[in-house]
Amino acid sequence: AQSVAQPEDQVNVAEGNPLTVKCTYSVSGNPYLFWYVQYPNRGLQFLLKYITGDNLVKGSYGFEAEFNKSQTSFHLKKPSALVSDSALYFCAVRDATSGTYKYIFGTGTRLKVLA
Amino acid sequence: SAVISQKPSRDICQRGTSLTIQCQVDSQVTMMFWYRQQPGQSLTLIATANQGSEATYESGFVIDKFPISRPNLTFSTLTVSNMSPEDSSIYLCSVDPVRNNEQFFGPGTRLTVL
Repeated sequence: AQSVAQPEDQVNVAEGNPLTVKCTYSVSGNPYLFWYVQYPNRGLQFLLKYITGDNLVKGSYGFEAEFNKSQTSFHLKKPSALVSDSALYFCAVRDATSGTYKYIFGTGTRLKVLA
Repeated sequence: SAVISQKPSRDICQRGTSLTIQCQVDSQVTMMFWYRQQPGQSLTLIATANQGSEATYESGFVIDKFPISRPNLTFSTLTVSNMSPEDSSIYLCSVDPVRNNEQFFGPGTRLTVL
């Protein structure tokens, strides 16, 4: 069965500092991995994805994520946090070899960037 | 990419009534999904709605409670039937316009049941 874990309910970081939001996954086949962001009273916005290829994936708004197969992780990173990055972040996984297009979402991590 | 709109954006309903949520996409897509996001929680897939076939429901969700229509490749509806306060959630539709690509989400419908 597929699963996603986001071990931190909340991450606090000072503006200008690097940020990391953690995600680990479990699938039986090859994973497709995604990060989404949700601002208050808004839907989910796509940030980036890993399908295949380079383990370091660059996405929107300066975010990037590194796929680590041995650690089954896909942590979201940004070199310098902005106050406007404060939002709820979701990691999601799809098992590419299962024949299903179903996504499994993590529980979400609330990022708070302090001025 | 795809631009998705949902109606209504929010509603307050009385228990025992039903609400139909509409999802409109600006392009033709085969796969459409309906999710529920309960307060302070993650997204849970309710069902997958492909045009031309019956919706496929996830464990814990049944057609009598959440009937779905998918009359064409740009539109779908989700009905929340016989509502109770436990149905208070944000309901989101999403599409996967290119298989093996990312899903795009609508803005959501915030439902409050009194």
